[in-house]
Amino acid sequence: QVQLQESGPGLVKSSETLSLTCTVSGVSIRRHYWSWIRQPPGKGLEWIGNIYYSGDTSHHPSLRGRVTISVDTSESQFSLKLTSLTAADTAVYYCTRVLRYSTTIWYFDLWGRGTLVTVSS
Amino acid sequence: SSELTQDPAVSVALGQTVKITCQGDSLRNYFASWYQQKPGQAPVVVIYGKNNRPSGIPDRFSASSSGNTGSLTITGAQAEDEADYYCNSRDSSGTHFIFGTGTKVTVL
Repeated sequence: QVQLQESGPGLVKSSETLSLTCTVSGVSIRRHYWSWIRQPPGKGLEWIGNIYYSGDTSHHPSLRGRVTISVDTSESQFSLKLTSLTAADTAVYYCTRVLRYSTTIWYFDLWGRGTLVTVSS
Repeated sequence: SSELTQDPAVSVALGQTVKITCQGDSLRNYFASWYQQKPGQAPVVVIYGKNNRPSGIPDRFSASSSGNTGSLTITGAQAEDEADYYCNSRDSSGTHFIFGTGTKVTVL
């Protein structure tokens, strides 16, 4: 059974750093891209960033300088660190797998259940 | 452009057809994928690419594209199709991903 499971604190303080981990089971973490996506309460989806199993990353331009995504293939996990938190970072955070069907077709086929992170002052 | 624009809300009578559109410059180079999200749940991909449905997605969901616009059509909408729908694609640079603003579909 393929499963992605986010883990991390549900409450973090403003100005501190959020650390989340996604554990992948039932499918190899190798040869795939993996993403973090978030959704503020009552709002739409926002892509945070990608990592390839080799370690190559890309991030949303608005988060550059605050976000780090890493992968640990031996543990079948990838992680998100987001620094200098503000209330605007309060959201449900999802980890996902990205599939490249072709050069022009990419999509998120597997999703974790999501974890709500609240940034408090 | 780094934006994908969707109508905020549409409604459809039970059993009728509804079309949801997604507009953005990136769609001239990349196909949209479409996600259904029900309250309290993670999104689920319903269409990717030209018109590909993952296993388990009913064939009443279909997609089309033209120029800078992608469309998702639900033919014979069911009560369980009531949800938020988001489009997504790579951005025009091909470096990042962008999501549409979302469309709330109400089945009457």
